[in-house]
Amino acid sequence: DAGITQSPRHKVTETGTPVTLRCHQTENHRYMYWYRQDPGHGLRLIHYSYGVKDTDKGEVSDGYSVSRSKTEDFLLTLESATSSQTSVYFCAIRAGTEDQPQHFGDGTRLSIL
Amino acid sequence: RKEVEQDPGPFNVPEGATVAFNCTYSNSASQSFFWYRQDCRKEPKLLMSVYSSGNEDGRFTAQLNRASQYISLLIRDSKLSDSATYLCVVNTLKGGFKTIFGAGTRLFVKA
Repeated sequence: DAGITQSPRHKVTETGTPVTLRCHQTENHRYMYWYRQDPGHGLRLIHYSYGVKDTDKGEVSDGYSVSRSKTEDFLLTLESATSSQTSVYFCAIRAGTEDQPQHFGDGTRLSIL
Repeated sequence: RKEVEQDPGPFNVPEGATVAFNCTYSNSASQSFFWYRQDCRKEPKLLMSVYSSGNEDGRFTAQLNRASQYISLLIRDSKLSDSATYLCVVNTLKGGFKTIFGAGTRLFVKA
């Protein structure tokens, strides 16, 4: 299995609090992604990174920010969590060539009350 | 029209059956193709890449038809453990590189 670790695995928090999810990889892959998955929506891209300090928005980026200060770590922050951000969050990594697939972490189940 | 379309299913089949999943993609600039499986409440896992000449991995066979922009996955002698959602995934260069996930096809294999 690809060396991807997401933390925390589960989190329950209250509306309005900041939340940071961490994705750590040991594969030295260039690309890292954050997705959310909700019933009826499939996987939706939040943000992605194509290198250290190089990030870009995905299709559902509002309310989220990311940072990548090291190759191995990609952080997703909810500045002020809302109940609509209750979801399962997956991190994925991909090697640098375009024929490579993404590999996913185990996911973080986030509940905003 | 969605960029990657799959039959949502569900497909309900008995053990030992052969089941085929189809997927169409709209962008002719698509470069590479994959099938993933996702178990309930788990992460998507790569099942196999799909090559132009077709490829097989045990009971699983993947086919690609670039002219028709169509990908298929065939599962032979299905097992209870094959029950999952199968995602068709395409890497495309349209408007910059991106990966597009199909919504998935749900499979239930029953004893």
